[in-house]
Amino acid sequence: SYVLTQPPAVSEAPGKTARITCVGNNIGSKSVHWYQQKPGQAPVLVTYNDRDRPSGIPERFSGSNSGNTATLTIRRVEAGDEADYFCQVWDTISDWVFGGGTKLTVL
Amino acid sequence: QVQLQESGPGLVKPSQTLSLTCTVSGASISGGGYYWTWIRQPPGKGLEWIGYIYNSGNTYSNPSLNSRVTLSLDTSRRQFSLSLSSVTAADTAVYYCARGHRSGYFDYWGQGTLVTVSS
Repeated sequence: SYVLTQPPAVSEAPGKTARITCVGNNIGSKSVHWYQQKPGQAPVLVTYNDRDRPSGIPERFSGSNSGNTATLTIRRVEAGDEADYFCQVWDTISDWVFGGGTKLTVL
Repeated sequence: QVQLQESGPGLVKPSQTLSLTCTVSGASISGGGYYWTWIRQPPGKGLEWIGYIYNSGNTYSNPSLNSRVTLSLDTSRRQFSLSLSSVTAADTAVYYCARGHRSGYFDYWGQGTLVTVSS
């Protein structure tokens, strides 16, 4: 089965840039999607198809994907960005696969 | 604005069947080529895909749950439903319905409903 590995936690100070990685075998050949989930709330799509952003998502959120690593980059981190972030792909064998999630703490 | 809302019992006894319905507003579930999907999240854990139903009525379920999952669609009511049989405590989770796209992402989610399996 296809596995996506994320760091359990990332922390960054307000105003800085946070990067959350998602590692998978040849993930660069797949479309990667990222979700933000705040406590007690449903996930919200923040980037899709590697680097596209849904309407209403700030430009501070951006995605990239190459080789075995996809990255969600959050520039000028704010307190309101503190949340769990999940990466996700569709795999021909494993179907929909989610990463284990990364808790972003804003210091 | 597309909205999804889950409904159903919050408590189910072990070995019984969990049944949930998702009501969609702001979009037709009979067109558009979307995958109307169920996803769950055990408390404090990650997300697990359960299964989807396409607007044609075709369904597909996570092989790890396949034999226990039944999915259905009621286009006249703009609803789709999940039944999960023979539940155990391991099925305790927040259950979400979501709209899936062909390229694999989920753009709209319900707020989620906690289902606890306990006697």
